[in-house]
Amino acid sequence: EVQLVESGGGLVQPGGSLRLSCAASQFTFSTYWMSWVRQSPERGLEWVANIKQDGSEKHYVDSVKGRFTISRDNAKNSLYLQMDSLRGEDTGVYYCARERPHDYGANFDLWGRGTLVTVSS
Amino acid sequence: DIHLTQSPSTLSASVGDRVTITCRASEIVNIWLAWYQQKPGKAPNLLIYKASTLKSGVPSRFSGSGSGTEFTLTISSLQPDDFAIYYCQQYNRYSYTFGQGTKLEIK
Repeated sequence: EVQLVESGGGLVQPGGSLRLSCAASQFTFSTYWMSWVRQSPERGLEWVANIKQDGSEKHYVDSVKGRFTISRDNAKNSLYLQMDSLRGEDTGVYYCARERPHDYGANFDLWGRGTLVTVSS
Repeated sequence: DIHLTQSPSTLSASVGDRVTITCRASEIVNIWLAWYQQKPGKAPNLLIYKASTLKSGVPSRFSGSGSGTEFTLTISSLQPDDFAIYYCQQYNRYSYTFGQGTKLEIK
């Protein structure tokens, strides 16, 4: 089955760190841009970061620049998000999402089930 | 960043009704406008891309239209499975943003 499975979420104190992972299966992971998207009742759906197929290009939403780092390992069909200096507003469900090529309009056609990150003391 | 505003925030309707959700952008969005459906406890599911192109497998009762800064999602005849939250999403200058969502509930 074509799928994305996130892991690594949990409870962390403000200022702490967490590393999320996303395992891809049954598609050619190395040919897609990949993103992290988060969701919370307060902030709604928010795109966080993305990374090019070969990892040579990365982009971030302003609110996480300098704190979060996206990376990938194509040999392991895996996507990662290193989150440092976490804040309460980073709390939410984090989804790994596959980006469609821009010929198809720049959107997300495959999502994982999400992993919950809670930042609280 | 381009801001997307959806209206209404909540829509009450009955099975068989025709409903329309609007998404307004703070700046011109070319064709990079998509619509998603999300059900409780699940990830969003892509319905429409490039403003009006139905993703394969999505029922034809869903349709999208619009250009520039105003876009609409229409469901021609609501089915019980359609009661969910709907989001619009745009892409511009290496950044994606989503609308705040429209909850479609049973009247």
